[in-house]
Amino acid sequence: SQLAEENPWALSVHEGESVTVNCSYKTSITALQWYRQKSGEGPAQLILIRSNEREKRNGRLRATLDTSSQSSSLSITATRCEDTAVYFCAPLTNSAGNKLTFGIGTRVLVRP
Amino acid sequence: GPKVLQIPSHQIIDMGQMVTLNCDPVSNHLYFYWYKQILGQQMEFLVNFYNGKVMEKSKLFKDQFSVERPDGSYFTLKIQPTALEDSAVYFCASSPLGYEQYFGPGTRLTVL
Repeated sequence: SQLAEENPWALSVHEGESVTVNCSYKTSITALQWYRQKSGEGPAQLILIRSNEREKRNGRLRATLDTSSQSSSLSITATRCEDTAVYFCAPLTNSAGNKLTFGIGTRVLVRP
Repeated sequence: GPKVLQIPSHQIIDMGQMVTLNCDPVSNHLYFYWYKQILGQQMEFLVNFYNGKVMEKSKLFKDQFSVERPDGSYFTLKIQPTALEDSAVYFCASSPLGYEQYFGPGTRLTVL
């Protein structure tokens, strides 16, 4: 069974707009990562937010984490066409060498 | 940023043949992973590898699969013999400490 699930399934915005992807997870975590996978490429990590953090920023990206509700969000401001990708959240548990368990992700399309 | 390379990018073979997928991980990384992604489906964990040994493998990692990293060279995934259901994109990843994973671009394997 999946450890995490992203929603919505898909989003479409115009360049310059903001977009938010949500994640709900099912396990106790030490941290949570957000990855992005562009068409024809492998996933790339965007942000890692630790369980004792409530918010983390990286440029135009902002991740939030609520461990009480076991949820996270990733917001992208001032979107660009190159932000078009599938976005995944991946919980990290308390073991090194963590395998990543991917959901189906959220497909974000940024239109010109 | 750090790059993981995968060779070849595409491979077409006949069912029953052996295939070796090669991964050149980021130097000094200690953890290595293989994931499988069938077209249109979510990426799924196959195996992770640390200190010369398999740490964990999923039920997708059939007896016909094997991994090794001889003398710190390529991290390889060998499938012998191949089956039609092995057709997929295989992603290699490496990690310095077992948390953030860096993915390669994938090898598209087609079994005829």
